[in-house]
Amino acid sequence: GENVEQHPSTLSVQEGDSAVIKCTYSDSASNYFPWYKQELGKGPQLIIDIRSNVGEKKDQRIAVTLNKTAKHFSLHITETQPEDSAVYFCAARTNAGKSTFGDGTTLTVKP
Amino acid sequence: DTAVSQTPKYLVTQMGNDKSIKCEQNLGHDTMYWYKQDSKKFLKIMFSYNNKELIINETVPNRFSPKSPDKAHLNLHINSLELGDSAVYFCASSQGQLTTQYFGPGTRLTVL
Repeated sequence: GENVEQHPSTLSVQEGDSAVIKCTYSDSASNYFPWYKQELGKGPQLIIDIRSNVGEKKDQRIAVTLNKTAKHFSLHITETQPEDSAVYFCAARTNAGKSTFGDGTTLTVKP
Repeated sequence: DTAVSQTPKYLVTQMGNDKSIKCEQNLGHDTMYWYKQDSKKFLKIMFSYNNKELIINETVPNRFSPKSPDKAHLNLHINSLELGDSAVYFCASSQGQLTTQYFGPGTRLTVL
Protein backbone atom coordinates (compact mmCIF):
# COMPACT_ATOMS: atom_id res chain seq x y z
CA GLY A 1 0.00 0.00 0.00
CA GLU A 2 0.86 3.68 -0.13
CA ASN A 3 3.27 5.13 2.41
CA VAL A 4 3.55 8.89 2.88
CA GLU A 5 6.38 10.37 4.90
CA GLN A 6 6.20 13.98 6.04
CA HIS A 7 8.98 16.18 7.44
CA PRO A 8 9.55 17.94 9.69
CA SER A 9 7.14 16.92 12.42
CA THR A 10 7.48 20.34 14.06
CA LEU A 11 8.52 23.64 12.55
CA SER A 12 8.94 26.98 14.26
CA VAL A 13 9.51 30.15 12.24
CA GLN A 14 9.53 33.87 12.86
CA GLU A 15 6.67 35.90 11.47
CA GLY A 16 7.47 36.97 7.92
CA ASP A 17 9.81 34.04 7.26
CA SER A 18 9.05 31.20 4.86
CA ALA A 19 8.06 27.67 5.89
CA VAL A 20 8.62 24.53 3.84
CA ILE A 21 7.12 21.11 4.54
CA LYS A 22 8.14 18.08 2.50
CA CYS A 23 6.43 14.78 1.76
CA THR A 24 7.46 11.65 -0.10
CA TYR A 25 5.16 8.90 -1.32
CA SER A 26 5.75 5.35 -2.45
CA ASP A 27 2.87 4.40 -4.77
CA SER A 28 3.45 5.60 -8.34
CA ALA A 29 -0.31 5.20 -8.93
CA SER A 30 -0.97 8.19 -6.67
CA ASN A 31 -2.02 11.11 -8.82
CA TYR A 32 -3.65 13.67 -6.54
CA PHE A 33 -1.83 15.44 -3.72
CA PRO A 34 -3.81 17.71 -1.38
CA TRP A 35 -2.52 19.69 1.57
CA TYR A 36 -4.69 20.29 4.62
CA LYS A 37 -4.51 22.74 7.51
CA GLN A 38 -5.98 21.64 10.83
CA GLU A 39 -6.57 24.20 13.55
CA LEU A 40 -7.11 23.18 17.14
CA GLY A 41 -10.48 21.51 17.69
CA LYS A 42 -11.43 21.58 14.00
CA GLY A 43 -11.41 19.24 11.05
CA PRO A 44 -8.72 19.40 8.35
CA GLN A 45 -9.35 21.99 5.68
CA LEU A 46 -7.93 21.87 2.16
CA ILE A 47 -5.55 24.75 1.47
CA ILE A 48 -4.05 23.71 -1.86
CA ASP A 49 -3.81 20.65 -4.06
CA ILE A 50 -1.90 19.48 -7.10
CA ARG A 51 -2.46 16.79 -9.67
CA SER A 52 0.20 14.59 -11.15
CA ASN A 53 0.22 16.33 -14.53
CA VAL A 54 1.30 19.62 -12.95
CA GLY A 55 4.68 20.49 -11.46
CA GLU A 56 3.81 23.58 -9.46
CA LYS A 57 0.76 25.48 -8.26
CA LYS A 58 0.53 28.76 -6.40
CA ASP A 59 -2.24 30.50 -4.51
CA GLN A 60 -1.17 33.81 -2.96
CA ARG A 61 1.30 32.99 -0.17
CA ILE A 62 0.99 29.23 -0.60
CA ALA A 63 2.65 27.10 -3.27
CA VAL A 64 3.02 23.38 -3.84
CA THR A 65 5.62 21.66 -6.00
CA LEU A 66 5.54 18.08 -7.22
CA ASN A 67 8.38 15.93 -8.52
CA LYS A 68 6.76 12.76 -9.86
CA THR A 69 10.03 11.12 -10.75
CA ALA A 70 11.39 11.47 -7.25
CA LYS A 71 7.94 10.95 -5.71
CA HIS A 72 8.04 13.97 -3.52
CA PHE A 73 6.00 17.13 -3.09
CA SER A 74 6.40 20.18 -0.92
CA LEU A 75 4.33 22.96 0.60
CA HIS A 76 5.80 26.45 0.67
CA ILE A 77 4.30 29.24 2.76
CA THR A 78 5.83 32.68 2.33
CA GLU A 79 5.50 35.73 4.58
CA THR A 80 4.16 33.59 7.41
CA GLN A 81 1.69 35.08 9.87
CA PRO A 82 0.72 33.93 13.38
CA GLU A 83 -2.63 32.70 12.02
CA ASP A 84 -0.72 30.22 9.84
CA SER A 85 0.08 28.32 13.06
CA ALA A 86 -1.64 24.93 12.80
CA VAL A 87 -1.01 21.29 11.95
CA TYR A 88 -0.46 20.70 8.24
CA PHE A 89 -1.04 17.36 6.54
CA CYS A 90 -0.02 16.19 3.11
CA ALA A 91 -1.85 13.34 1.43
CA ALA A 92 -1.53 11.16 -1.64
CA ARG A 93 -4.56 9.73 -3.37
CA THR A 94 -4.96 7.05 -6.01
CA ASN A 95 -7.66 6.66 -8.66
CA ALA A 96 -9.45 4.29 -6.29
CA GLY A 97 -10.02 7.30 -4.05
CA LYS A 98 -7.98 6.09 -1.13
CA SER A 99 -6.08 8.90 0.61
CA THR A 100 -2.98 8.21 2.66
CA PHE A 101 -2.00 11.05 4.96
CA GLY A 102 1.39 12.08 6.23
CA ASP A 103 1.86 12.22 9.99
CA GLY A 104 1.44 15.99 10.13
CA THR A 105 3.66 19.01 10.78
CA THR A 106 2.95 21.35 13.67
CA LEU A 107 3.84 24.83 12.43
CA THR A 108 4.33 27.62 14.95
CA VAL A 109 4.76 31.16 13.69
CA LYS A 110 6.21 33.41 16.37
CA PRO A 111 5.20 37.07 16.29
CA ASP B 1 -24.68 26.67 6.17
CA THR B 2 -22.80 23.75 7.67
CA ALA B 3 -21.42 21.62 4.87
CA VAL B 4 -20.46 18.44 6.74
CA SER B 5 -21.93 17.99 10.19
CA GLN B 6 -21.38 15.31 12.80
CA THR B 7 -23.21 14.40 15.96
CA PRO B 8 -22.35 14.21 18.73
CA LYS B 9 -19.30 16.45 19.05
CA TYR B 10 -18.21 14.68 22.23
CA LEU B 11 -18.98 11.13 23.32
CA VAL B 12 -17.85 9.66 26.62
CA THR B 13 -18.78 6.06 27.30
CA GLN B 14 -17.78 2.91 29.14
CA MET B 15 -15.90 -0.04 27.70
CA GLY B 16 -18.18 -2.65 26.21
CA ASN B 17 -20.91 -0.21 25.22
CA ASP B 18 -22.29 0.23 21.70
CA LYS B 19 -22.44 3.74 20.24
CA SER B 20 -23.18 5.52 16.97
CA ILE B 21 -21.84 8.65 15.35
CA LYS B 22 -23.87 10.38 12.67
CA CYS B 23 -22.68 12.35 9.67
CA GLU B 24 -24.60 14.44 7.18
CA GLN B 25 -23.45 16.53 4.24
CA ASN B 26 -25.51 19.09 2.37
CA LEU B 27 -23.05 19.56 -0.50
CA GLY B 28 -24.73 17.10 -2.84
CA HIS B 29 -21.59 14.94 -2.86
CA ASP B 30 -21.70 11.29 -3.84
CA THR B 31 -18.75 10.05 -1.78
CA MET B 32 -18.36 10.00 1.99
CA TYR B 33 -15.59 8.87 4.30
CA TRP B 34 -14.77 8.07 7.89
CA TYR B 35 -11.31 8.83 9.29
CA LYS B 36 -9.80 8.15 12.71
CA GLN B 37 -7.33 10.60 14.26
CA ASP B 38 -5.44 9.23 17.23
CA SER B 39 -3.80 11.05 20.11
CA LYS B 40 -0.67 11.63 18.01
CA LYS B 41 -2.80 13.37 15.38
CA PHE B 42 -2.25 10.60 12.82
CA LEU B 43 -5.14 10.52 10.32
CA LYS B 44 -6.15 7.14 8.94
CA ILE B 45 -8.96 6.34 6.54
CA MET B 46 -11.42 3.75 7.76
CA PHE B 47 -14.21 3.58 5.19
CA SER B 48 -15.38 5.22 2.01
CA TYR B 49 -18.82 5.05 0.39
CA ASN B 50 -19.69 6.10 -3.13
CA ASN B 51 -23.40 6.38 -3.96
CA LYS B 52 -24.19 4.38 -0.82
CA GLU B 53 -21.84 1.56 -1.79
CA LEU B 54 -18.78 0.63 0.24
CA ILE B 55 -15.65 1.17 -1.85
CA ILE B 56 -12.88 1.38 0.72
CA ASN B 57 -12.72 -0.73 3.84
CA GLU B 58 -9.37 -0.52 5.56
CA THR B 59 -8.19 -2.96 8.17
CA VAL B 60 -10.75 -1.96 10.74
CA PRO B 61 -12.16 -4.34 13.38
CA ASN B 62 -15.57 -5.62 12.40
CA ARG B 63 -16.91 -3.99 15.57
CA PHE B 64 -17.05 -0.90 13.35
CA SER B 65 -19.95 -0.91 10.93
CA PRO B 66 -20.69 2.02 8.64
CA LYS B 67 -24.17 2.54 7.27
CA SER B 68 -25.21 4.84 4.45
CA PRO B 69 -29.00 5.21 4.33
CA ASP B 70 -28.67 7.73 1.47
CA LYS B 71 -25.95 9.70 -0.30
CA ALA B 72 -26.12 12.53 2.21
CA HIS B 73 -25.59 10.40 5.31
CA LEU B 74 -22.90 8.06 6.54
CA ASN B 75 -23.21 6.80 10.09
CA LEU B 76 -20.68 4.83 12.08
CA HIS B 77 -21.77 2.25 14.61
CA ILE B 78 -19.25 0.81 17.03
CA ASN B 79 -19.94 -2.33 19.07
CA SER B 80 -18.20 -3.43 22.26
CA LEU B 81 -16.14 -0.28 22.61
CA GLU B 82 -12.53 -0.68 23.73
CA LEU B 83 -10.08 1.76 25.30
CA GLY B 84 -8.11 1.89 22.05
CA ASP B 85 -11.14 3.23 20.21
CA SER B 86 -10.66 6.57 21.97
CA ALA B 87 -9.87 9.07 19.22
CA VAL B 88 -11.37 11.84 17.15
CA TYR B 89 -13.46 10.53 14.28
CA PHE B 90 -13.87 12.69 11.21
CA CYS B 91 -16.43 12.35 8.50
CA ALA B 92 -15.66 13.82 5.07
CA SER B 93 -17.31 14.05 1.68
CA SER B 94 -16.31 14.74 -1.91
CA GLN B 95 -17.84 14.74 -5.37
CA GLY B 96 -16.19 11.73 -6.95
CA GLN B 97 -13.04 10.20 -5.59
CA LEU B 98 -10.37 12.53 -6.89
CA THR B 99 -11.65 15.88 -5.77
CA THR B 100 -11.50 18.02 -2.67
CA GLN B 101 -12.60 16.33 0.52
CA TYR B 102 -14.57 18.44 2.97
CA PHE B 103 -14.18 17.39 6.57
CA GLY B 104 -16.67 17.62 9.39
CA PRO B 105 -15.76 19.12 12.79
CA GLY B 106 -15.00 15.73 14.32
CA THR B 107 -16.41 13.62 17.15
CA ARG B 108 -14.15 13.13 20.14
CA LEU B 109 -14.81 9.64 21.50
CA THR B 110 -13.50 8.78 24.95
CA VAL B 111 -13.83 5.23 26.20
CA LEU B 112 -13.39 4.82 29.95
